[in-house]
Amino acid sequence: GQQLNQSPQSMFIQEGEDVSMNCTSSSIFNTWLWYKQDPGEGPVLLIALYKAGELTSNGRLTAQFGITRKDSFLNISASIPSDVGIYFCAGQSYGGSQGNLIFGKGTKLSVKP
Amino acid sequence: DAGVIQSPRHEVTEMGQEVTLRCKPISGHNSLFWYRQTMMRGLELLIYFNNNVPIDDSGMPEDRFSAKMPNASFSTLKIQPSEPRDSAVYFCASSPTSYEQYFGPGTRLTVT
Repeated sequence: GQQLNQSPQSMFIQEGEDVSMNCTSSSIFNTWLWYKQDPGEGPVLLIALYKAGELTSNGRLTAQFGITRKDSFLNISASIPSDVGIYFCAGQSYGGSQGNLIFGKGTKLSVKP
Repeated sequence: DAGVIQSPRHEVTEMGQEVTLRCKPISGHNSLFWYRQTMMRGLELLIYFNNNVPIDDSGMPEDRFSAKMPNASFSTLKIQPSEPRDSAVYFCASSPTSYEQYFGPGTRLTVT
């Protein structure tokens, strides 16, 4: 089946640093979503993107829908300890079944105070 | 506002037993999704409903798995009989649009 390549798999950064992670696909996507999951909890929706080129911010988080419609990135500025968690990208492919989101494997973020 | 509610949060059962997981979606959301999460396979969509009707169940592993949505505020995922390889975290999510999905806290299932 379709897969999303999410990178990096893990990141260890110092508090205050900026973070960047991305997701790529071999096929075109209509929608990109970014989620964060804390241990023992369900994924929480951070940002949703619907148009190629769209750039959307949510506080210190910024995400973009790639022009080619095959990629997306998420940036976190001035990281803080509570940013720790696993970040997932998810997307719906063009022509795919509506509602059938494909998830990346996640980027595990660790922040050193 | 209450989010998606799942019960139980943890379930430990013996192989061969029937397991029923429950979900209450966010009020007003017309789509409901069941996912399974494991370390090896990540998040996998099992089945989703739109207006209480199953739309895509291609992710349901096998006949031992079944899901129902008798009304807009309740859904169940049943595994009968359960096997150790079914051990995973099962999430329910709901959506007003099918795109922006809001997840519940999950049910951690352990089958011994």
